[in-house]
Amino acid sequence: NAGVTQTPKFQVLKTGQSMTLQCAQDMNHNSMYWYRQDPGMGLRLIYYSASEGTTDKGEVPNGYNVSRLNKREFSLRLESAAPSQTSVYFCASSESKNSPLHFGNGTRLTVT
Amino acid sequence: QKEVEQDPGPLSVPEGAIVSLNCTYSNSAFQYFMWYRQYSRKGPELLMYTYSSGNKEDGRFTAQVDKSSKYISLFIRDSQPSDSATYLCAMSPTDSWGKLQFGAGTQVVVTP
Repeated sequence: NAGVTQTPKFQVLKTGQSMTLQCAQDMNHNSMYWYRQDPGMGLRLIYYSASEGTTDKGEVPNGYNVSRLNKREFSLRLESAAPSQTSVYFCASSESKNSPLHFGNGTRLTVT
Repeated sequence: QKEVEQDPGPLSVPEGAIVSLNCTYSNSAFQYFMWYRQYSRKGPELLMYTYSSGNKEDGRFTAQVDKSSKYISLFIRDSQPSDSATYLCAMSPTDSWGKLQFGAGTQVVVTP
């Protein structure tokens, strides 16, 4: 049982390049989330999708866009990467908006 | 000032000792309190979840919430080397995880 799968695991971008981080869950969960984790800052919510067809901004949405492609998949796009977006990105899912979060193993992104 | 403060450690203890972790917070609206464990290069996994004040025990783990002091704790009894990880506290004012606030995490090292 894969749970939450994130691709790629590692990525290096140059400033100004764009990329999409992929996330898929196989637990039939309704809610999905994107977090970033930086040293000393803890996990911060970028965007979330309470259910298929809806998305909402979290604490740090600037510079990112998301797409809830279907119930399984929730992607995060960086249109023009900046060094400040160097971070570890975690996708998570939950059965509902008030159920425990299940996290993927992260994408480590470096922007030079 | 961050809403949730957590000492980053590292906290080093010998095998078999009690590990004591804590977080302080400033938002009196927080009602839901969680502890996550994160192994190196992995995503966080939920350990304990409590609502409002009081204690909760699960095996070797005990979570305490003192809302009057805005202070939460996690105790790990009979610590094992496999408990070596980073422990994150998280809290929310509602049962919607779109409002979840994480501490920065405390690194714990249990030495054999």
